[in-house]
Amino acid sequence: GQNIDQPTEMTATEGAIVQINCTYQTSGFNGLFWYQQHAGEAPTFLSYNVLDGLEEKGRFSSFLSRSKGYSYLLLKELQMKDSASYLCAVRSGGGNKLTFGTGTQLKVEL
Amino acid sequence: SQTIHQWPATLVQPVGSPLSLECTVEGTSNPNLYWYRQAAGRGLQLLFYSVGIGQISSEVPQNLSASRPQDRQFILSSKKLLLSDSGFYLCAWTMGQPGNTIYFGEGSWLTVV
Repeated sequence: GQNIDQPTEMTATEGAIVQINCTYQTSGFNGLFWYQQHAGEAPTFLSYNVLDGLEEKGRFSSFLSRSKGYSYLLLKELQMKDSASYLCAVRSGGGNKLTFGTGTQLKVEL
Repeated sequence: SQTIHQWPATLVQPVGSPLSLECTVEGTSNPNLYWYRQAAGRGLQLLFYSVGIGQISSEVPQNLSASRPQDRQFILSSKKLLLSDSGFYLCAWTMGQPGNTIYFGEGSWLTVV
């Protein structure tokens, strides 16, 4: 089976940097995704990692270590609109199935 | 460009009634299609996925079923809804190659009363 763990909730200050961690155990790994989900809305794609290292996209960066089964999402220059749930998801197996963690609820405060 | 649509956006159904949620993808062919459910305060749970017409894989036992009558159409159904079927249902698609992002439809809120 698969197991994905991420913190339930985090709080950070506007303008600061926050790192959301994700650890996973899976077989047939072929990619790790991060999604952002605002309350009542569908998840939107943020980033994708399949090789070890850092992927940077504007204020958002994502890191992957396949040997450690570990990823993090780094959000810089936090804005109030970044308050949302951040979902870590692992793709594996036939059908390219995506298995999600339970999400980290980020609250950005003034 | 590719787009995905699902409907209805919200519905309230009595226990024991049938259900039909529909999803269509435009601008692509032979996508992998998925149905996810998100219960209140819970993570996304994969219900069904399909790699082609008539090919359905079920991930969890339940009273729901899925069908893919056409290449870009994916339907989630139930003959008799349970209270526990309430939740946020999301259709998603990808081209099925490693590296292809999975994109979600707008979602359908189902409340079973």
